[in-house]
Amino acid sequence: AQSVTQPDIHITVSEGASLELRCNYSYGATPYLFWYVQSPGQGLQLLLKYFSGDTLVQGIKGFEAEFKRSQSSFNLRKPSVHWSDAAEYFCAVGPSGYSTLTFGKGTMLLVSP
Amino acid sequence: DGGITQSPKYLFRKEGQNVTLSCEQNLNHDAMYWYRQDPGQGLRLIYYSQIVNDFQKGDIAEGYSVSREKKESFPLTVTSAQKNPTAFYLCASSISLTGAGNTIYFGEGSWLTVV
Repeated sequence: AQSVTQPDIHITVSEGASLELRCNYSYGATPYLFWYVQSPGQGLQLLLKYFSGDTLVQGIKGFEAEFKRSQSSFNLRKPSVHWSDAAEYFCAVGPSGYSTLTFGKGTMLLVSP
Repeated sequence: DGGITQSPKYLFRKEGQNVTLSCEQNLNHDAMYWYRQDPGQGLRLIYYSQIVNDFQKGDIAEGYSVSREKKESFPLTVTSAQKNPTAFYLCASSISLTGAGNTIYFGEGSWLTVV
């Protein structure tokens, strides 16, 4: 069965600093990988997704993620964080050909002035 | 605007009562899902449906029931058998269940509190 681990429950970053949120997955074949963002009390919004091809994926709001098969990782990055990026971020994995996703437990991003 | 509408946003239920959460989508998606979210637990799949009049249990289906009589509607009933129903519930949909990693789109969620 597939699984997702987000090792950091909370991360605090200064506004303007760079950000990296970690995601490790467990899956036997090449997975489909997603990053979603959730503001408090709201639904989830898709930031980016990886299916195949280029391992560096660009998303909305200036986010990018890199798929590293050797490390079973799909870390999310942003070069300069804005206060509006404060939210909870979820990594998710789905098997090929079947789109029910398994979600990580999330990482809460706090942005300090 | 196209999207997924969940109602009500906030709902209080007395112990022993059933309650139904509404989910409507106008995206013309075949597949629909219900997730439960608890603090620090991520999202857990309750039920999903890939087509009208068909649905399957997810990871935590006990104490819940669903129906899919129309393509655009996928209501979730939280029954009195659900031992710990207080949670945030998210409805979602995608073009189809199978395929190359179809993106799942989410509604704004419904808060259920048992009092």
